[in-house]
Amino acid sequence: KAGVTQTPRYLIKTRGQQVTLSCSPISGHRSVSWYQQTPGQGLQFLFEYFSETQRNKGNFPGRFSGRQFSNSRSEMNVSTLELGDSALYLCASSSGLPLAKNIQYFGAGTRLSVL
Amino acid sequence: DQQVKQNSPSLSVQEGRISILNCDYTNSMFDYFLWYKKYPAEGPTFLISISSIKDKNEDGRFTVFLNKSAKHLSLHIVPSQPGDSAVYFCAASIRRDDKIIFGKGTRLHILP
Repeated sequence: KAGVTQTPRYLIKTRGQQVTLSCSPISGHRSVSWYQQTPGQGLQFLFEYFSETQRNKGNFPGRFSGRQFSNSRSEMNVSTLELGDSALYLCASSSGLPLAKNIQYFGAGTRLSVL
Repeated sequence: DQQVKQNSPSLSVQEGRISILNCDYTNSMFDYFLWYKKYPAEGPTFLISISSIKDKNEDGRFTVFLNKSAKHLSLHIVPSQPGDSAVYFCAASIRRDDKIIFGKGTRLHILP
């Protein structure tokens, strides 16, 4: 069974641009969560989708948005990029809910650098 | 405000000895706790979890202890092996909200 796939693996953008990251969950998994990892803040929760509906959202500005498609694939978008958005963005999928009791499987992440 | 705190950014342990990674939390509503391990250039992988109704859970070389009165949990690895060198994340969840809140991680170095 293929794992969680995130594309692209690396991305370089400049301030003010927008970016879209993609996540393909494990086949059959309907929950997809997004996290931001930075050296200073660790793993911070961005949002979680289940069956195309956003169930939860973290404390990030509205520039961060996401969506989930009917095939459970998910995208996250960051508009008007800032230097502080440079981070590793991780996607995780789970076969069911609640998240705490259903293992989340993570992709390798997308490393975003904002210049 | 960091609800899940891992106060040791790094820890070095001799191979074969016990590794103890600590985690403190501030929210008494947390009812489920998890540990994840992360190697460089890979995503985190689930290691072990514990419900708030228990005080100990064991899986092979890994044991998690929960002290609810102190709002503290620890992960014990016995014996430590070179492959255990990684970043370990403590995480917690409130069933009602179903969000996973992670700590900042502790980098474990296993010394030969």
